Amino acid sequence: AQSVSQHNHHVILSEAASLELGCNYSYGGTVNLFWYVQYPGQHLQLLLKYFSGDPLVKGIKGFEAEFIKSKFSFNLRKPSVQWSDTAEYFCAVNAGGNTNAGKSTFGDGTTLTVKP
Amino acid sequence: DTGVSQNPRHKITKRGQNVTFRCDPISEHNRLYWYRQTLGQGPEFLTYFQNEAQLEKSRLLSDRFSAERPKGSFSTLEIQRTEQGDSAMYLCASSFGRGFNEQFFGPGTRLTVL
Repeated sequence: AQSVSQHNHHVILSEAASLELGCNYSYGGTVNLFWYVQYPGQHLQLLLKYFSGDPLVKGIKGFEAEFIKSKFSFNLRKPSVQWSDTAEYFCAVNAGGNTNAGKSTFGDGTTLTVKP
Repeated sequence: DTGVSQNPRHKITKRGQNVTFRCDPISEHNRLYWYRQTLGQGPEFLTYFQNEAQLEKSRLLSDRFSAERPKGSFSTLEIQRTEQGDSAMYLCASSFGRGFNEQFFGPGTRLTVL
């Protein structure tokens, strides 16, 4: 069974501070990894994803994440946060490779508050 | 708007009643997913369809829950004999093709069971 752990439930930063949100997953096979974001009052939307190739992936709005297979981790980073990054962030995993898997398992989310 | 739409957005019902939610995915998307989300938790997988075929259903889903996607387009999620523990946000998402593709989420239907 897949599981996802996001260690930080609530992070508070000042503008221009650097951000790193932790995500660890549990799954024995090939995986696809995702970070989704939910801004206040809006739908969940994709920030970035990894499914193969370069383990350092870049997404929208200056976010990036690094897949470290040996650590089962996919941490999200941003060098300098803005007030508009205030949102809830979810890490998700599904079975990769040639499987027909559609089920995604989400972490419980990290609420990021950026103080102006 | 060409995104995923869900109706109704809010539903308040009394315990024991049946409720039905509808999801209209992005038109060219062949996959449709249902998730449930409660406060402080991430979306929890319920079931998904590829075209009209229901390919997987969570073991957490009791037999009071049923989902259909009769023509491979919109989907309905029905909860029979609702319980207070069913109160949650029910999210629908759609995607095209394989599992590594982005899932596009709708706004959700918030269910409150009194």
